[in-house]
Amino acid sequence: SQQGEEDPQALSIQEGENATMNCSYKTSINNLQWYRQNSGRGLVHLILIRSNEREKHSGRLRVTLDTSKKSSSLLITASRAADTASYFCATDLISNFGNEKLTFGTGTRLTIIP
Amino acid sequence: GAVVSQHPSRVICKSGTSVKIECRSLDFQATTMFWYRQFPKQSLMLMATSNEGSKATYEQGVEKDKFLINHASLTLSTLTVTSAHPEDSSFYICSARVTGITDTQYFGPGTRLTVL
Repeated sequence: SQQGEEDPQALSIQEGENATMNCSYKTSINNLQWYRQNSGRGLVHLILIRSNEREKHSGRLRVTLDTSKKSSSLLITASRAADTASYFCATDLISNFGNEKLTFGTGTRLTIIP
Repeated sequence: GAVVSQHPSRVICKSGTSVKIECRSLDFQATTMFWYRQFPKQSLMLMATSNEGSKATYEQGVEKDKFLINHASLTLSTLTVTSAHPEDSSFYICSARVTGITDTQYFGPGTRLTVL
């Protein structure tokens, strides 16, 4: 089953606007990561936020984490056409087998309209 | 940055045949590699965790005899889909953890498998 649920499932905005995506998860985590995937391609790591951090920035990206609500948000400011992609959150936790593993959310398909 | 490659990028095969997909870490050693599958417009589902020199750990519901994983070296893991069926058609993605840095995974570009 999915650890993370993301909303919205799909988002279309005008170029230059900000895009916000949310992720909720169910269990305690070590960290939460955001990835981007262009259609039919592999994943690109965007940013990692640890469980003891509340906010992190990387260029036009801003990620927040609220462990009390088990939720995270990804904000992309001043969006560009090249930001069109699917965005996934992934939680890093210890599996039943003792391995650390990533569990992915359902994803948000972001479309930037030129 | 760390690079993970997959080969082939696309493969089409007939039902009943077996297909092998390779995942290589090109410029780093990966003690642990992961295999995911992704159906169209859906998320990635972890299939198994592969540790170098030991048996893979499969997620619940994944048939280990159907999806054979071998992690023979610190830079190579292979996934063999045995006796493939059309329902095995999917996008398979591997990732690798940098040895000693457990919270960094690097993903391969994926392999599109189509079973006719």
